[in-house]
Amino acid sequence: AQSVSQHNHHVILSEAASLELGCNYSYGGTVNLFWYVQYPGQHLQLLLKYFSGDPLVKGIKGFEAEFIKSKFSFNLRKPSVQWSDTAEYFCASRRGSWGKLQFGAGTQVVVTP
Amino acid sequence: NAGVTQTPKFQVLKTGQSMTLQCAQDMNHEYMSWYRQDPGMGLRLIHYSVGAGITDQGEVPNGYNVSRSTTEDFPLRLLSAAPSQTSVYFCASVNLVSDTQYFGPGTRLTVL
Repeated sequence: AQSVSQHNHHVILSEAASLELGCNYSYGGTVNLFWYVQYPGQHLQLLLKYFSGDPLVKGIKGFEAEFIKSKFSFNLRKPSVQWSDTAEYFCASRRGSWGKLQFGAGTQVVVTP
Repeated sequence: NAGVTQTPKFQVLKTGQSMTLQCAQDMNHEYMSWYRQDPGMGLRLIHYSVGAGITDQGEVPNGYNVSRSTTEDFPLRLLSAAPSQTSVYFCASVNLVSDTQYFGPGTRLTVL
């Protein structure tokens, strides 16, 4: 069975600091990868996704993620965070059946002013 | 365009009670799903549907039933609530072209 691991459960950083959240998936075949974000009191929404092609994908709000097939990783990055990036971030993978996402446990990110 | 709506937003049940969580979408998506979110465990798939009349089990289906009589609606039924079902429940519909899930606002359920 596929699984998704997120390395950090809680991250606290100051505004303007750089952010990197780790994500590893277990399946070795073709897999679609996603990062979703849940801002306080809001719905989960898609940040970015990778299906194929350029392994560096850019998403909304200045986020990007790099797919490294040899490491089974899909890490999320942002060069300079803002207070408004405080949220919970979820990595997810999909293999096969449409819509059946496998989520990681999530990383709670707190950005202090 | 309301997207995905869920009702109620909050609910408290006693052990053994039954209830239905409502979910509706107005995007004409065929694929819909229910997840539960628990601290430290991310979101886990309960049930999903690939179209009206077709449903299947996800990762944690026990204690829950679903039906899909229309494209728009996908209710989740708790048959006999247990404290282990205390969680936040999210409904989602999927745009298969973009492979993007659209989530509802969630229902926070507490079972005493």
